[in-house]
Amino acid sequence: GDSVTQMQGQVTLSEDDFLFINCTYSTTWYPTLFWYVQYPGEGPQLLLKVTTANNKGISRGFEATYDKRTTSFHLQKASVQESDSAVYYCVLGTGTGGYKVVFGSGTRLLVSP
Amino acid sequence: EAAVTQSPRNKVTVTGGNVTLSCRQTNSHNYMYWYRQDTGHGLRLIHYSYGAGNLQIGDVPDGYKATRTTQEDFFLLLELASPSQTSLYFCASSDVSDRGFYEQYFGPGTRLTVL
Repeated sequence: GDSVTQMQGQVTLSEDDFLFINCTYSTTWYPTLFWYVQYPGEGPQLLLKVTTANNKGISRGFEATYDKRTTSFHLQKASVQESDSAVYYCVLGTGTGGYKVVFGSGTRLLVSP
Repeated sequence: EAAVTQSPRNKVTVTGGNVTLSCRQTNSHNYMYWYRQDTGHGLRLIHYSYGAGNLQIGDVPDGYKATRTTQEDFFLLLELASPSQTSLYFCASSDVSDRGFYEQYFGPGTRLTVL
């Protein structure tokens, strides 16, 4: 079945560090890939979305590129801020209809000032 | 702006108790979802619905029922609550299309504790 793997449970950085969060996926269908971000006390919210048509998404300084060959969808940011501290979820949408997605286990980012 | 509200925000019950979690969306979306969030598992889909009166089974449905009474309202029912159902529950809504995936809008969550 469809699956998403985030191996990094937690990433700890200092302000202005480079961020890289790893995500790999498995599906037999054409994927749509998302990164959602969840701040403390809130529900997840969409950060960015990538389809097989555009291969790359950019939002709020974050960037993610979809690589079909390695089935990877990594999230990166050149310079993190303390306000970026949150949990980041890699999410996979497959099949037709656009109604059901699969969440990864999440990566908690802690940024110290 | 998209809006999904949940009630109650916190709930404590005992094993064997009866619990109903409520969700309302004002987005005019067709699809609504119930997820549970547990450390190490991310969000897992319990049930979802594509309109009033419709119910679809998700990935972790055991012990849960759901009902969609209107386009706006989606309820999650735990008729015999167990400690394993202690979790943070999120409701979400989404528009859908056969052309691709749309963003899901999440509510603030309900924290349920089963003693």
